[in-house]
Amino acid sequence: EAGVTQFPSHSVIEKGQTVTLRCDPISGHDNLYWYRRVMGKEIKFLLHFVKESKQDESGMPNNRFLAERTGGTYSTLKVQPAELEDSGVYFCASSHPVAEIRTDTQYFGPGTRLTVL
Amino acid sequence: AQSVTQLGSHVSVSEGALVLLRCNYSSSVPPYLFWYVQYPNQGLQLLLKYTSAATLVKGINGFEAEFKKSETSFHLTKPSAHMSDAAEYFCAVSLYGNNRLAFGKGNQVVVIP
Repeated sequence: EAGVTQFPSHSVIEKGQTVTLRCDPISGHDNLYWYRRVMGKEIKFLLHFVKESKQDESGMPNNRFLAERTGGTYSTLKVQPAELEDSGVYFCASSHPVAEIRTDTQYFGPGTRLTVL
Repeated sequence: AQSVTQLGSHVSVSEGALVLLRCNYSSSVPPYLFWYVQYPNQGLQLLLKYTSAATLVKGINGFEAEFKKSETSFHLTKPSAHMSDAAEYFCAVSLYGNNRLAFGKGNQVVVIP
């Protein structure tokens, strides 16, 4: 079974440019999450999809970030325009629905390292 | 609000020695707790999780953790460190009412030969 994959693995862009990160979850996983780790800080939740619907986007920093999950399969996270403070590692995770949602195991991808210069 | 605290960003342990990583949580409701490990250039991998069953939880690669409500702790241990245990370890709590994970800052473990 293929794991969660993310593309690209690294991205270096200049302030003001646009970047799109992609996540392919494990096949059959309805739940998809985005997290971010800024250097020296904790990994923090950004948002949660259930299939193609945004279940919780309370962690999105501001309206420069746009996440989509068309068709309930892969997801993209677009940052437009990018700012210096957006630098960090962006992780995607997916999980299969379980009865007690708090106990589900989230499977993480390797992350995309974003550097904004 | 639920949160976890991991002290000591870098932890050095000699090969063959006990690995002990501390995690304390703050939660107003029964917590669900997780330990994840990240090896270089890989995603986070679940080591083990506590979901209100047995308080001593055994995970992969010889790791285990004990949930202690009185101490609000969920420390991770392994009796004998191996070179392959060098990685970053994260404690996390599942937030009440949803399944967002709140992570600690992580412990970078270095194993000394």
